[in-house]
Amino acid sequence: SQQGEEDPQALSIQEGENATMNCSYKTSINNLQWYRQNSGRGLVHLILIRSNEREKHSGRLRVTLDTSKKSSSLLITASRAADTASYFCATALGGNTPLVFGKGTRLSVIA
Amino acid sequence: NAGVTQTPKFRVLKTGQSMTLLCAQDMNHEYMYWYRQDPGMGLRLIHYSVGEGTTAKGEVPDGYNVSRLKKQNFLLGLESAAPSQTSVYFCASKGADQPQHFGDGTRLSIL
Repeated sequence: SQQGEEDPQALSIQEGENATMNCSYKTSINNLQWYRQNSGRGLVHLILIRSNEREKHSGRLRVTLDTSKKSSSLLITASRAADTASYFCATALGGNTPLVFGKGTRLSVIA
Repeated sequence: NAGVTQTPKFRVLKTGQSMTLLCAQDMNHEYMYWYRQDPGMGLRLIHYSVGEGTTAKGEVPDGYNVSRLKKQNFLLGLESAAPSQTSVYFCASKGADQPQHFGDGTRLSIL
């Protein structure tokens, strides 16, 4: 069963706008990770945030984690057409336990 | 440095046939995983391995077997293929306390 659920399922924005995706999960976690999947390709790791962290940045990506609400958000600023992809959150109960993936958000960035 | 390589990339089987999917990684990773990805379902874990010679069941193991005889290889076997096993199969590997690296998938159709 899926631990994480992304919202929205699909998002369409104009190039240059910001994109926000949300992830909710059910149980306590060790860390939460975000991955990107381009059409026809495997997943690529974007960012990992641990349960004792509240916010992390990586380039144009900003991830927040609220363990009291069991939720996380991924913000992509100044989006580009190349950001068009599916984005998945994944949770880990322990440092090296298997990840449990959500169903993903399909992001379309229109040039 | 090829990362994670999956073979074959595409395959069509008839119901009842058997086959083996191969995953190879050249990053000396301890952990390896097999997932299936179906439309609207995200990734679901089939089997995984925490080291050479070890395997464990994931969320959807029925109808599949795995072997990890060498650290760099993780094989997924379908004993008697069924149409419900039509899917895209992804392999991933990781080192301790590291994110997962994915292959580009095997697209399997069972008629």
